Amino acid sequence: GAVVSQHPSWVICKSGTSVKIECRSLDFQATTMFWYRQFPKQSLMLMATSNEGSKATYEQGVEKDKFLINHASLTLSTLTVTSAHPEDSSFYICSARERGLLEQYFGPGTRLTVT
Amino acid sequence: GENVEQHPSTLSVQEGDSAVIKCTYSDSASNYFPWYKQELGKRPQLIIDIRSNVGEKKDQRIAVTLNKTAKHFSLHITETQPEDSAVYFCAAADAGNMLTFGGGTRLMVKP
Repeated sequence: GAVVSQHPSWVICKSGTSVKIECRSLDFQATTMFWYRQFPKQSLMLMATSNEGSKATYEQGVEKDKFLINHASLTLSTLTVTSAHPEDSSFYICSARERGLLEQYFGPGTRLTVT
Repeated sequence: GENVEQHPSTLSVQEGDSAVIKCTYSDSASNYFPWYKQELGKRPQLIIDIRSNVGEKKDQRIAVTLNKTAKHFSLHITETQPEDSAVYFCAAADAGNMLTFGGGTRLMVKP
């Protein structure tokens, strides 16, 4: 149980284009999903928290107009990186949590490379 | 906000030895402390967690201890094996159940 999938696993895009990353909870209802960014050999940095049916809450320093998050259902959240630039290249990982529980389960991550 | 510090940043042990990773946190209201194992290029996997009303928890070769007074918690791995080699992250959940991660420990188990 507690499986989270993420798609795509990797993507290469040109500077100025937008990229959408999907995060799905496969066997539970994720009332809350989290989006993290991880640079090489560094820790996980929380970007934003999304609750199903509500607007996402962004961490300080994260541009909400650049990183669009949608959590339209209890099993799907999406992160869209708009007008991507090379500095947006990173490993993006989502996690999901079921209502009333504390455990967060992570997706496999998406490696974004912006050329 | 919560601040979590993790030590050491790298740890090298001989196969069969024990490994200990320590974390401290700043928010006394934090009540949930998970540990994640992340292999290169893969997702963090929850390996053990502890809640603030418990002082110690064990699962086979892995154990976690919590000292609420001192605001620190530790991961103990006994009889280490090469497949234990990975980066380990501690985390603390504040009153809003948001996780703050430590900086990570790269554990290398030498055969």
